[in-house]
Amino acid sequence: AQSVAQPEDQVNVAEGNPLTVKCTYSVSGNPYLFWYVQYPNRGLQFLLKYITGDNLVKGSYGFEAEFNKSQTSFHLKKPSALVSDSALYFCAVYFYGGSQGNLIFGKGTKLSVKP
Amino acid sequence: NAGVTQTPKFRILKIGQSMTLQCTQDMNHNYMYWYRQDPGMGLKLIYYSVGAGITDKGEVPNGYNVSRSTTEDFPLRLELAAPSQTSVYFCASIGTGVNEQYFGPGTRLTVT
Repeated sequence: AQSVAQPEDQVNVAEGNPLTVKCTYSVSGNPYLFWYVQYPNRGLQFLLKYITGDNLVKGSYGFEAEFNKSQTSFHLKKPSALVSDSALYFCAVYFYGGSQGNLIFGKGTKLSVKP
Repeated sequence: NAGVTQTPKFRILKIGQSMTLQCTQDMNHNYMYWYRQDPGMGLKLIYYSVGAGITDKGEVPNGYNVSRSTTEDFPLRLELAAPSQTSVYFCASIGTGVNEQYFGPGTRLTVT
């Protein structure tokens, strides 16, 4: 079955330090992977996606993610965290079920960046 | 483009009442989705639609109904509200292929 796991409920980082939010996936066939961010009382916003090609994907707001096929991971990273990065982050995997593709979301990881 | 819009933003229902959550997108997207978000549970797919006149169940469809009479609109109907339906509901749309979904701002529903 297709699934995505975010093993950390919360990640705490000091401002200016690098951050990593972890995601692992299980999918048959080629994985299509996404990261979304959700700020309080808002809908989800797209950050980046991996479809094919370079394993290091760059996205919005200085975020990047590294696709690792052997470890079935797609961790989200940023070299220098900002307080404004504090939000809920969701990893998602896209798969085809029947005639339609759908996204399966992880349960989310709360990122807290302290000054 | 306004993107994906949802109304209302907030609603309180009594048990057994019914209501319709509205979702509209102006991007001419074929695919539309309804999710519910419960704390610590991520997003669960309720229903989705691949085009006008076509809908299908997602992971948690019980207690809900949808229709898709136009490309733009994808309303979600709750017929007999139950406390278990207290949640935040998000509508999303996507064009074609493996592209990112665009999410509405959400509807926060409380059933008491």
